[in-house]
Amino acid sequence: ETGVTQTPRHLVMGMTNKKSLKCEQHLGHNAMYWYKQSAKKPLELMFVYNFKEQTENNSVPSRFSPECPNSSHLFLHLHTLQPEDSALYLCASSQGPATNEKLFFGSGTQLSVL
Amino acid sequence: AQKVTQAQTEISVVEKEDVTLDCVYETRDTTYYLFWYKQPPSGELVFLIRRNSFDEQNEISGRYSWNFQKSTSSFNFTITASQVVDSAVYFCALSEEYGNKLVFGAGTILRVKS
Repeated sequence: ETGVTQTPRHLVMGMTNKKSLKCEQHLGHNAMYWYKQSAKKPLELMFVYNFKEQTENNSVPSRFSPECPNSSHLFLHLHTLQPEDSALYLCASSQGPATNEKLFFGSGTQLSVL
Repeated sequence: AQKVTQAQTEISVVEKEDVTLDCVYETRDTTYYLFWYKQPPSGELVFLIRRNSFDEQNEISGRYSWNFQKSTSSFNFTITASQVVDSAVYFCALSEEYGNKLVFGAGTILRVKS
């Protein structure tokens, strides 16, 4: 069983659709993250949750809505996205939120917005 | 502000060659942490190493070695006797002790040909 599991692996959606990305970690970690990886751009931190509380929102547009019901699960709700939102969305977790913690990543959801 | 530069966009080598991936960073903090992550074709980033700014000892782990030089703000990564399985995107990253995020470089694509 992998440490961090993301579903779905691939998602194609229209600009008017609503969809959700799911992340689950089996490592007993307390912090979870959403990153965006676009072609030819560095990984961008989107959100950080620590003990289910959001501690970081990196100026992410409101069409991305995170949810963290418990320390093991993290969702990213998507609505009225734009084609430029097409990217690989990576979930990660760490023992704690300190910036010197090593991150454990899922395999990502490859999102295409048509 | 934190910044990480990986000037090599893509490197191609033949199996068994040694290869060095460059990483140059910028920070105003005296306490910071440097990381290398590997992203194979499967998508998930895999943690390779973490160094703090007070530990300049070079590290070797099997075929991997890291050269940390504060004088040049560099944290280079060398793979000795490269193998096809080393083909991946490699990311260097930096976090500051009292910062709130891990900043990644743009990544270097390594292609090892048999």
